[in-house]
Amino acid sequence: NAGVTQTPKFRVLKTGQSMTLLCAQDMNHEYMYWYRQDPGMGLRLIHYSVGEGTTAKGEVPDGYNVSRLKKQNFLLGLESAAPSQTSVYFCASSYFPGTSDRQETQYFGPGTRLLVL
Amino acid sequence: AQSVAQPEDQVNVAEGNPLTVKCTYSVSGNPYLFWYVQYPNRGLQFLLKYITGDNLVKGSYGFEAEFNKSQTSFHLKKPSALVSDSALYFCAVTRSGNTPLVFGKGTRLSVIA
Repeated sequence: NAGVTQTPKFRVLKTGQSMTLLCAQDMNHEYMYWYRQDPGMGLRLIHYSVGEGTTAKGEVPDGYNVSRLKKQNFLLGLESAAPSQTSVYFCASSYFPGTSDRQETQYFGPGTRLLVL
Repeated sequence: AQSVAQPEDQVNVAEGNPLTVKCTYSVSGNPYLFWYVQYPNRGLQFLLKYITGDNLVKGSYGFEAEFNKSQTSFHLKKPSALVSDSALYFCAVTRSGNTPLVFGKGTRLSVIA
């Protein structure tokens, strides 16, 4: 199993450009999450999904959109990048509660480092 | 609303000494508590969790954590620190399986040889 993978690993954008970050998991997890990590801020939840075709806002959703068209993929989009979106982005996934003794445990991808100039 | 506090940005400990990384939480209802570790340029790795049962939870790499309901704490401990334990440690909480985790800001552990 590859676990959780993220594409790309690193990207530089100019202000106003758009891009999509791809997250894929091969563990058949129902739940998927997008976080951003900034120095001194810990991890903050951007959006999450509790199943294929469903998404919900997290703590810091502004400026981002997401889609979960397939169970194994969770896409994070930036329509018009801003320097404030310079960050490291992590995707994670987990089992649906009640289906496993490993429920609630989130499995993380390696991260995407994004620099917006 | 859930919240997590990690009061120390940095913890320094000598190799072979015991280590403690502190975490306190606030949540309505019964907490689900987690510790994750992040090595440089890597994603977070699960260390251990408390859902219910024994207050002392054992996890990966010799780490353990003690759930203290009265003090709303879930401190991470290890009897003998290794240089390889140097990393960023995150505490996280949720109140049930249906709500996302809330993470603390992280504590950087530095183990000195």
